[in-house]
Amino acid sequence: DGGITQSPKYLFRKEGQNVTLSCEQNLNHDAMYWYRQDPGQGLRLIYYSQIVNDFQKGDIAEGYSVSREKKESFPLTVTSAQKNPTAFYLCASSATGMNTEAFFGQGTRLTVV
Amino acid sequence: GQQVMQIPQYQHVQEGEDFTTYCNSSTTLSNIQWYKQRPGGHPVFLIQLVKSGEVKKQKRLTFQFGEAKKNSSLHITATQTTDVGTYFCAGGGSARQLTFGSGTQLTVLP
Repeated sequence: DGGITQSPKYLFRKEGQNVTLSCEQNLNHDAMYWYRQDPGQGLRLIYYSQIVNDFQKGDIAEGYSVSREKKESFPLTVTSAQKNPTAFYLCASSATGMNTEAFFGQGTRLTVV
Repeated sequence: GQQVMQIPQYQHVQEGEDFTTYCNSSTTLSNIQWYKQRPGGHPVFLIQLVKSGEVKKQKRLTFQFGEAKKNSSLHITATQTTDVGTYFCAGGGSARQLTFGSGTQLTVLP
């Protein structure tokens, strides 16, 4: 089945530790995105990538890092510099740019204690 | 940068009543997309509108794109319990990225 997979679904980390969230897609999409969702708020863009080996900061990139070494994969690292990392993280992909629909993964709920 | 405002933030309706959520952009949009997120789930694409003044229907759902391409609405006729969830609009702009509204969380009371 074609789709976009995020793992794990739930993740717990201690404060001060870096953590990497996985996102893989087999839809052959060029564009991939990371969003953060907090209760009562919309989806805020962290980073996006339109092509392999290239990515751009979104609205809330501070404290996060990404890589795009393969078309299928767009991992997100939440660093210790992120002041409030507990949130629901959603990865999405789309064909060439955002004038086509975005397909979302199931999300990873990160809790930092 | 581009901002997309969505109202209301919450809406409780009795089953069978109608529901509308509104989306307004600070800039002209190239397109508007609508997504639905069920409780505990992830957003799922519903529809995209591209043309000024466009109206599209999906069964009980009616989507409109304003003449100036800066606002949009989603109207649900005769809500059902299966309509429960958060509805997001997302505006496409010149930066080739989607800007999501804050969403409207719909509760349908049986």
